[in-house]
Amino acid sequence: GAGVSQTPSNKVTEKGKYVELRCDPISGHTALYWYRQSLGQGPEFLIYFQGTGAADDSGLPNDRFFAVRPEGSVSTLKIQRTERGDSAVYLCASSFRGGGQEKSSYNEQFFGPGTRLTVL
Amino acid sequence: RKEVEQDPGPFNVPEGATVAFNCTYSNSASQSFFWYRQDCRKEPKLLMSVYSSGNEDGRFTAQLNRASQYISLLIRDSKLSDSATYLCVVKSGGYNKLIFGAGTRLAVHP
Repeated sequence: GAGVSQTPSNKVTEKGKYVELRCDPISGHTALYWYRQSLGQGPEFLIYFQGTGAADDSGLPNDRFFAVRPEGSVSTLKIQRTERGDSAVYLCASSFRGGGQEKSSYNEQFFGPGTRLTVL
Repeated sequence: RKEVEQDPGPFNVPEGATVAFNCTYSNSASQSFFWYRQDCRKEPKLLMSVYSSGNEDGRFTAQLNRASQYISLLIRDSKLSDSATYLCVVKSGGYNKLIFGAGTRLAVHP
């Protein structure tokens, strides 16, 4: 079956521009996550959606970052007034369900290939 | 201090070697623990969950020491295909966000 897909795979933009990054989760997955990975680091949590609502947006670095998931499936991460420090790989993940303490396979997060964002 | 800390690596080992990765975490409320594998310029993929009793999957053995807040991964009989970055990951309580370490790079050579 199809995995998580992300578009575009690469995005080059100029400082100050607006960008949108798209994530298509695995069909039927209710939970969706955005992470950001800088060179030489592990992924860093940004935001988690359960259905259409953002259940945890504590990882968004500032108000230039915003994400939506209007129909509970596809999500868009939006970055306003991009800065060079925003350059990173933006990873999306989905799981069948979210939350809970159990190590159930239902909570396993499957990652997409990422969007490599370069801000010049 | 980072919430999850790992050996920085890289580890360069010959085929057939046994290699161990260590990881510590700072949040004692962490409930779930994992090792992810990430190939160069690819997405992370779950390698295995880590349980308090320790668990094994083929050549891979994971251990958790809650008292010391320490997680380990042992790879026996290393293969060239094991070359990758290994990420130590924790998840706290009811929250579903994964907290990743910076990763340890492994290079297995002939």
